[in-house]
Order: sequence, then structure tokens, then C-alpha cells
Amino acid sequence: TQLLEQSPQFLSIQEGENLTVYCNSSSVFSSLQWYRQEPGEGPVLLVTVVTGGEVKKLKRLTFQFGDARKDSSLHITAAQPGDTGLYLCAGKGNYQLIWGAGTKLIIKP
Amino acid sequence: NAGVTQTPKFRVLKTGQSMTLLCAQDMNHEYMYWYRQDPGMGLRLIHYSVGEGTTAKGEVPDGYNVSRLKKQNFLLGLESAAPSQTSVYFCASRKWGPSSYEQYFGPGTRLTVT
Repeated sequence: TQLLEQSPQFLSIQEGENLTVYCNSSSVFSSLQWYRQEPGEGPVLLVTVVTGGEVKKLKRLTFQFGDARKDSSLHITAAQPGDTGLYLCAGKGNYQLIWGAGTKLIIKP
Repeated sequence: NAGVTQTPKFRVLKTGQSMTLLCAQDMNHEYMYWYRQDPGMGLRLIHYSVGEGTTAKGEVPDGYNVSRLKKQNFLLGLESAAPSQTSVYFCASRKWGPSSYEQYFGPGTRLTVT
């Protein structure tokens, strides 16, 4: 059974600080996605990483796929209150995605 | 484009009652999914469909049934609701293709079973 573990489960920091969220598995994934979910809404895709070692940037967000394609990280530089939300990683399975439990991020002004 | 819509947005049921949640998408996507989301447990797949007239069980299918009579609609039924089914339910869809794994989500249905 493929599993994805996210850490930390919860993170509350001040505006302007940097942070990193991790998504780890013992299984290899052919691709991995990161979604952000705001309260009262469904998740929205941020990025898909496909190649081992790949790094993608989305403004202040940097996503990295591990060399062995078993893990990924999301780094946010100079966090802002608008970054508040639940961040979910998801790995590609057969017909479906394998989801992590999520990291709840709160950025305090 | 409305994307993925879900009805109703909120519902309160008594134990043993039945209901149907409706999901509709206007993106002509082949694949559709029903998830439940509980605190600290992320998204758990209930049932999914890879095309009109086909359905398959996900991770937590017990107590739920689904139907996909039309490509754009995916219905989730609870025949006899239980308090353990109190959750937020999300529908999602994606287009066919080995590289098209982005899922588009509806806004969710918050269900409380008392």
C-alpha cells in the first residue's frame, strides 16, 4: 500500500518568516502534486513535479521532488497571511491520487 | 464554465435516513471521484468512475453507493446514514490521459448525521 506522510501537521508562524513542509513515502511515485485548500473550498492544484530532483518555483513557493521520487518539499519564503491554508501532497497511483493528510498552515500578520 | 458543482452545500440527517449528493461537471471530463475529508485524515477516496456507466470502489466504500448515468453527473448515495458518516464530502473530476492527473474539485458538502 502506497502511503504519503506529511510533516508538520500544523504550523503557525509570523508573517515574513520562511517555512518548509515535507511529504515523504517509502514508495516511488511517477509524479507528485501539491494542492492548497482554503476554508470552505475544495483543493486547488499548485504544481506537479515529475522528474527526480526537479525544482519548480511559483512566486515565493519552491517545490522540490526528491532524487529517488519518494519525497517532496514545499518551501515558502517570506510567508504572507494569504498563504494560510491546508497544503496537501498527492502522488500518482492507478486511476487515482494517493493523498497525504495535509499540513495546516497559519500565517499571522 | 461553472467547473465542478455540488448540491446541497449543507445537510443534517438523522441516523437511518437516506440522501443523495449530486456532483456535476461541465468540463467533459471522463474521470470523477467522491472523497470524504475528516480532520487530520486528509482526503479519502470513497468511489470513483472512469467513464459513463462505470464505477469502482475506493478506499472507504462501505455505506455508500454511486451512479454515473450521464458523463457530467456523479451521484453519491447514503442508504442508511450513520454518525460515522458525518464529514465534508468533495467531488472531483479530471480529463482522460496518462499525464492529466490534475483533479478539479467542487466546493464540498458538509453533512452532519445525528
